[in-house]
Amino acid sequence: AQSVAQPEDQVNVAEGNPLTVKCTYSVSGNPYLFWYVQYPNRGLQFLLKYITGDNLVKGSYGFEAEFNKSQTSFHLKKPSALVSDSALYFCAVRDGTGGFKTIFGAGTRLFVKA
Amino acid sequence: EPEVTQTPSHQVTQMGQEVILRCVPISNHLYFYWYRQILGQKVEFLVSFYNNEISEKSEIFDDQFSVERPDGSNFTLKIRSTKLEDSAMYFCASSGTGAYGYTFGSGTRLTVV
Repeated sequence: AQSVAQPEDQVNVAEGNPLTVKCTYSVSGNPYLFWYVQYPNRGLQFLLKYITGDNLVKGSYGFEAEFNKSQTSFHLKKPSALVSDSALYFCAVRDGTGGFKTIFGAGTRLFVKA
Repeated sequence: EPEVTQTPSHQVTQMGQEVILRCVPISNHLYFYWYRQILGQKVEFLVSFYNNEISEKSEIFDDQFSVERPDGSNFTLKIRSTKLEDSAMYFCASSGTGAYGYTFGSGTRLTVV
C-alpha cells in the first residue's frame, strides 16, 4: 500500500525568501510523485510530477521538486516566494508498477508574508 | 485550456435521499476519478474508472456509492442514501494516462442535513 506524509501542517516564509514544503512517501513499486496546489474554495491544480529521469523536476509558477530515492522524499521548493503562493499544497503518490489510485498527503498550508 | 466541469457547484440534500454528482471529464482522457475532501482537509480517494469499469475503489466507496459513464462524456457519482457524514467537497478528476497528473474539476459541495 502507498502512503504520503507531509510533516508540517503549516509553513511560514517571508516574501522573497526560498521556500520548502516537505513530503515523504512509501510505495512498494516505482513511485509516481506529484504536487498539487489548492487555493481557497477551488479545486486542486497540478504543479509538477516525477515519473522517471532527472531527480530535479520543474513545474508551474516557478516551483520545482527534488526526488530523493534513498530518503524517499519529494520536497517542493521555490527560490523566491511570492505572497500569491499562499495556498494549501498537497503531495501525492501513485504506485507506478500497478494500481490506479493516487494517494494524497494531508496537505501543508503555506503562508507567505509581505 | 481543457477543463473538467462539475455540476452542481453546491447541493443540499436531506439525509436518506439519493444524490447524483455530475462531471464532464476532458474529452480525450481515459482515466476518471472521484475524490472527496472534508472541511478543506485531506483529499480522500474514492474510486477510479477506466475502460468502462471500476478499476480500483477505497474502503469509503461502499454499496451506497456507484459510478457511471452513461453517454461517453459524463461521469457521475451516485450516493444512494446520504448520511450526514457524506457532507464534503467531491472532486472529479481525469487523466490521459496514469503517468500524468490529474486535471481536477472545481468540485461539488455536498451538504447533507
